[in-house]
Amino acid sequence: GNSVTQMEGPVTLSEEAFLTINCTYTATGYPSLFWYVQYPGEGLQLLLKATKADDKGSNKGFEATYRKETTSFHLEKGSVQVSDSAVYFCALKGGSGGSNYKLTFGKGTLLTVNP
Amino acid sequence: EPEVTQTPSHQVTQMGQEVILRCVPISNHLYFYWYRQILGQKVEFLVSFYNNEISEKSEIFDDQFSVERPDGSNFTLKIRSTKLEDSAMYFCASSEGPVNYGYTFGSGTRLTVV
Repeated sequence: GNSVTQMEGPVTLSEEAFLTINCTYTATGYPSLFWYVQYPGEGLQLLLKATKADDKGSNKGFEATYRKETTSFHLEKGSVQVSDSAVYFCALKGGSGGSNYKLTFGKGTLLTVNP
Repeated sequence: EPEVTQTPSHQVTQMGQEVILRCVPISNHLYFYWYRQILGQKVEFLVSFYNNEISEKSEIFDDQFSVERPDGSNFTLKIRSTKLEDSAMYFCASSEGPVNYGYTFGSGTRLTVV
């Protein structure tokens, strides 16, 4: 079945540092890929998505490119802010034989940005 | 921006009691979901609901769980006889469509079974 593997956290960065959170997936076909963010005490918010190979999702300075050849969807941001401190979840849905409804999440990566 | 609303934000219940968690999805969304997140663990799929019936459920979603859309706006999750291990954050979500659509999640209900 489908699965998502994220880099283990926590990740601690200084403000304005470059961020990469690695995400790889296991699925057949072409699933849709997502990044969600969970700020302290809040629910999950969709950060960005990509629905086909080589698509780049972007939002709020974050980017991720759907790489079919490496089955990856790494999250990047050029200059993080303290307000980016949150838990980031990589997720997928669909693909050949995969569910059209169910999102499969990675374990989440806690990011802390210090001033 | 449209929101998914969940109530209550926190519920404490005694083991063996029934609980109903409530959600108001975004009005033009057609697909509805429940997920849960046990403290420090993965976000886990429970059930999806479309066209007034369950479209998919996980192995977690056993006979103790049920979902209902009692009217045009609410979507509920009922746990018939709660167990200690049901303690978790429960998230409701909705989406306009299936595969290519992201969900909008609610802020969650923290269920504590004592």
